[in-house]
Parts: sequence; C-alpha cells; structure tokens
Amino acid sequence: QVQLQQWGAGLLKPSETLSLTCAVYGGSFSSYYWNWIRQPPGKGLEWIGEINHSGSTNYNPSLKSRVTISVDTSKNQFSLKLSSVTAADTAVYYCARVLREQLSGKIYYYMDVWGKGTTVTVSS
Amino acid sequence: IQLTQSPSSLSASVGDRVTITCRASQGISSYLAWYQQKPGKAPKLLIYAASTLQSGVPSRFSGSGSGTDFTLTISSLQPEDFATYYCQQLNSYPRTFGQGTKVEIK
Repeated sequence: QVQLQQWGAGLLKPSETLSLTCAVYGGSFSSYYWNWIRQPPGKGLEWIGEINHSGSTNYNPSLKSRVTISVDTSKNQFSLKLSSVTAADTAVYYCARVLREQLSGKIYYYMDVWGKGTTVTVSS
Repeated sequence: IQLTQSPSSLSASVGDRVTITCRASQGISSYLAWYQQKPGKAPKLLIYAASTLQSGVPSRFSGSGSGTDFTLTISSLQPEDFATYYCQQLNSYPRTFGQGTKVEIK
C-alpha cells in the first residue's frame, strides 16, 4: 500500500520561498510521475507541476517562473519550491502519484494516490 | 484546456440518481478522470480514462463520454456521497481541473 507523507513550513511571509517535501512509502519510486497540486481556501484544485524519477519535469506555465520541483531517489522523496510567495499562494498543497496504464492500446494517466495535504499560509 | 462543470452545486436526496457534466474547451479523447473530495480531505480517484472505475470504488459510480463532453453518474446517492466532485484532463499540459460540483443534502 503506497503512502505519501508530506511536510514543510506552514507559515511564510511575503517574498519568502515555500518549501515542501513528499516521501513515498511502500512502493516503487520509478515508473511514475510525482505531482504537486494546490487548493486555495474555498476554491478548486490547481495543478502545479510534476517530476519523474530521472528528474524530467513539467510545470504549469502560470507558476513556471517561480517553481522548482526536484527529486531525491535515494530517499524516495520529491520536493517543491515556490519562490517570492504572496498571499495568493495561500493554499493546501497536495502531493500525488500519477499512474500510467495502457488500455485498449492507449496510455492513460491518473492521480491514484494523494498525500494528506499541507496548509501553507502567507501573511506578513 | 479549460474544463467547465455543471452544475456548480446541486441538492439531492438519498437514493436519487445524480449526473454531473464536464465539458472540455477542446477535444481530449478519453483522457479524463473524476475525483471526489470531502471537507478537509485529499481528493479520491473515482474514474479514469473517462469510464474505468478505480478499484474499490462502488459500482453506483459510472463515467461516460469522449471528446469534449463527459458525465459522472451516481445511480443511487448514498449518505457518504455528499461531497465535491472534480473532473481533470490528462490529455495535455498543463493538467487542468474543472471548478468542482458540490453535492449537498436536500
């Protein structure tokens, strides 16, 4: 049973850098993409970006200039850094695994395992 | 790719049949997933590849559609189904979600 455990600073001041880490327990680290998603209070879900075990990344263009996602395969962990935060970055941040599955000759992706979420508040 | 869910919220009774629609701004084949989220919890995968039920998800949940129009149906609403439901496209980057549909008790 794969579990994702995430942690990081929960209170930041404007202009600081958000830093979160997600550890993968109970399963393989390779063969998947590892994602970050956030959810502002009372709002919907926003995809931030992803990384695979070899370090290949994809980012949301709306955040790309401020986001870095990295991986530490020796620890089965991946991390998110978001620089120059503002109040608009206040949200619950989730890590999630993207599974790749072949069906009827096509490759499908979906987020099948999620971390519990980390609340990050940006306030002066 | 923008995903528009309708309705944004609905009120229903236990035992009702509920249908939620997700429309994509361009064709995404069957690269769509549905998630359920309860307050204070992470989203839970229900359906992927538009119509494939995730292991362990009750059979009262079903998904259909292809291209730009998709539906999530709950055949007989149960007390534990009151939650917010999101669609997500995994056809292209950036991955995007619908704005969510909140299912409330009538």
